[in-house]
Amino acid sequence: GAGVSQSPSNKVTEKGKDVELRCDPISGHTALYWYRQSLGQGLEFLIYFQGNSAPDKSGLPSDRFSAERTGGSVSTLTIQRTQQEDSAVYLCASSFGTGRGDEQFFGPGTRLTVL
Amino acid sequence: AQSVSQHNHHVILSEAASLELGCNYSYGGTVNLFWYVQYPGQHLQLLLKYFSGDPLVKGIKGFEAEFIKSKFSFNLRKPSVQWSDTAEYFCAVIGQAGTALIFGKGTTLSVSS
Repeated sequence: GAGVSQSPSNKVTEKGKDVELRCDPISGHTALYWYRQSLGQGLEFLIYFQGNSAPDKSGLPSDRFSAERTGGSVSTLTIQRTQQEDSAVYLCASSFGTGRGDEQFFGPGTRLTVL
Repeated sequence: AQSVSQHNHHVILSEAASLELGCNYSYGGTVNLFWYVQYPGQHLQLLLKYFSGDPLVKGIKGFEAEFIKSKFSFNLRKPSVQWSDTAEYFCAVIGQAGTALIFGKGTTLSVSS
């Protein structure tokens, strides 16, 4: 596609429910990243994929958070038993490779609100 | 742990004023530095980046940044801002693992016409 797309654009959920956030990277990009943007915390790295494997999950804040990527393309970030502190904008980015010179292209984000 | 700090949370300027946004990073090894911009309602996009060579980097829309290794700084500058530069600006560094971006908390720039 023309750019990174994410769905849904907005998600409102009740505390304790599970949510799934989807990211479609740019076609041909092998690397995919998830970040979280919240008030007071700024932009934080969550996890990245090279192909379908996740070499770095160090940013996931708790075991309620998980992510997978299938077919080297679409990725899903799942948050189980959501808490109010999970409210944030979840950003996905993709890059052609994982070299330091590879620009990360960002999607529009999913705004998650946990009531 | 690596970190990036941006000194100004909110900067307000009039059109044609000069801009300098501060950015300092904590990592002492080889660094790759970036400035990203997020215009209202738009995606985060790359403004400019530094990898090696000339420490003065030119980016899009007349922006430039200077890497000063001795000061661990990578400040963003523009000689004359426009109303359309109103946006949030993020400084970032590639982490030690060489993959994820570590961002500063961002600076909101408001330019009045």
